[in-house]
Amino acid sequence: QEHLQESGPGLVKPSETLSLTCAVSGGSISTYYWTWIRQPPGRGLEWIGYIYYSGDTMYNPSLKSRVTISVDTSKNEVSLKLTSVTASDTAMYYCAKTRRNWFDTWGRGTLVTVSS
Amino acid sequence: EIVMTQSPATLSVSPGERATLSCRASQSVGNNLAWYQQKPGQAPRLLIFAASTRAPGFSPRFSGSGSGTEFTLTISSLQSEDFAVYYCQQYDGWQITFGQGTRLDIK
Repeated sequence: QEHLQESGPGLVKPSETLSLTCAVSGGSISTYYWTWIRQPPGRGLEWIGYIYYSGDTMYNPSLKSRVTISVDTSKNEVSLKLTSVTASDTAMYYCAKTRRNWFDTWGRGTLVTVSS
Repeated sequence: EIVMTQSPATLSVSPGERATLSCRASQSVGNNLAWYQQKPGQAPRLLIFAASTRAPGFSPRFSGSGSGTEFTLTISSLQSEDFAVYYCQQYDGWQITFGQGTRLDIK
């Protein structure tokens, strides 16, 4: 059973770049798709995008111009970069193991606040 | 984009009773639908996939049904640990969308 752990700065200034990492343990990253999902405080879930270990990606069209998801198979890590952040990007960010486009294993999430 | 609409937004049910949660898709998603349970301070947890297949670890009290545009999550004989927020998610194609959630409260 894989274990996912998100990490990164909890505070990012407006207009800067949000960078998060998801460390995968207990299994190989080279098997499934890996997805980032976010949840603003008190609100619902938003799919950000996913990546396969080969590097194939798919992004939410509403975020596509600002998002990059990458994978480092040597470290068993998936990364998320979101540029030009604003207060509306404040959210809990989750990574999730993706099986046929449903998410069967989630990390605990990391809260990112965008504020000066 | 396929829009997922859940109803009601909040459902108040007494322990031991049955809860019925609805999820509607703006266009057909076949049976490409999942349900998640989220408790306060926790990540969502996969509950149902392929519209009706229960994920490991969940009681048979949980059942999913539907196809196309109309889906239902039924929880029979509610237990205290079932009170949470439930989200539906469609995965018909690679553009994934979630419903806004139904909060299941103790009556």
